[in-house]
Amino acid sequence: AQSVTQPDIHITVSEGASLELRCNYSYGATPYLFWYVQSPGQGLQLLLKYFSGDTLVQGIKGFEAEFKRSQSSFNLRKPSVHWSDAAEYFCAVAGNNDMRFGAGTRLTVKP
Amino acid sequence: NAGVTQTPKFQVLKTGQSMTLQCAQDMNHNSMYWYRQDPGMGLRLIYYSASEGTTDKGEVPNGYNVSRLNKREFSLRLESAAPSQTSVYFCASSTSGGNQPQHFGDGTRLSIL
Repeated sequence: AQSVTQPDIHITVSEGASLELRCNYSYGATPYLFWYVQSPGQGLQLLLKYFSGDTLVQGIKGFEAEFKRSQSSFNLRKPSVHWSDAAEYFCAVAGNNDMRFGAGTRLTVKP
Repeated sequence: NAGVTQTPKFQVLKTGQSMTLQCAQDMNHNSMYWYRQDPGMGLRLIYYSASEGTTDKGEVPNGYNVSRLNKREFSLRLESAAPSQTSVYFCASSTSGGNQPQHFGDGTRLSIL
C-alpha cells in the first residue's frame, strides 16, 4: 500500500518569508498526489493536486507544488507567507482505491 | 453550499455506550469515506463506500460499522464505545474512487470516558 512521510512536524516562519513543506511518498506506480490544509476546528480543504502532466502544479491561495519522481517527493511552496496561512498541512497519496495521508505539518507564522 | 454535513459536532460517551455519527453530502458524489484523526497520525481510513450499496474496510475498521443509507448519507456506528475510540471523526466524499479529490465535513469530536 502507498504511504506518505512529512518529515517536519512543526515549522515556524516569519510573515513575508518563503515556505517549503516537505512530502515524500512511497508507491509502486505513478501516484495521485494532493496537499490539503486544515484550520483549527475545520475539515480539510484541497490546496492542489497532481495527476499527470506538468510536474509543477498551481493551487489556491498562492501555493504551488513540484512532483519529483526521482526523489519520490511532492513539496509544497509559497513565495511569501501570510499570517492567515497558519494551519496544519497534509500531504496525501492515492492509488486506485484509497488515499493515505501524512501525519501533517503544523505551520506557525510569526509577525 | 452545504457540501458535507456531519452531526453531531461534539459528543461525550461512557465506555460501552453506542453511538451513530451521521454524514450527508449534497454534491451528488458516488464515493464516501470515514476517517479518524489522532494527534501525530494524520487521517486514517475507517471505512469507505465506493458507490451506493457497497462498503469496504479501510485501515482501522475494528470497533466500527457503517451504513450507506442512500447516495447522500453514510453513517458510522460505534456499537460499544471504548476510550481508544476517542478521536475526531471526519466524513468525506468524492466524485468516484479514492484517487479523486475529497471534500471534507467539519468533523465530530468524540470523547469516551
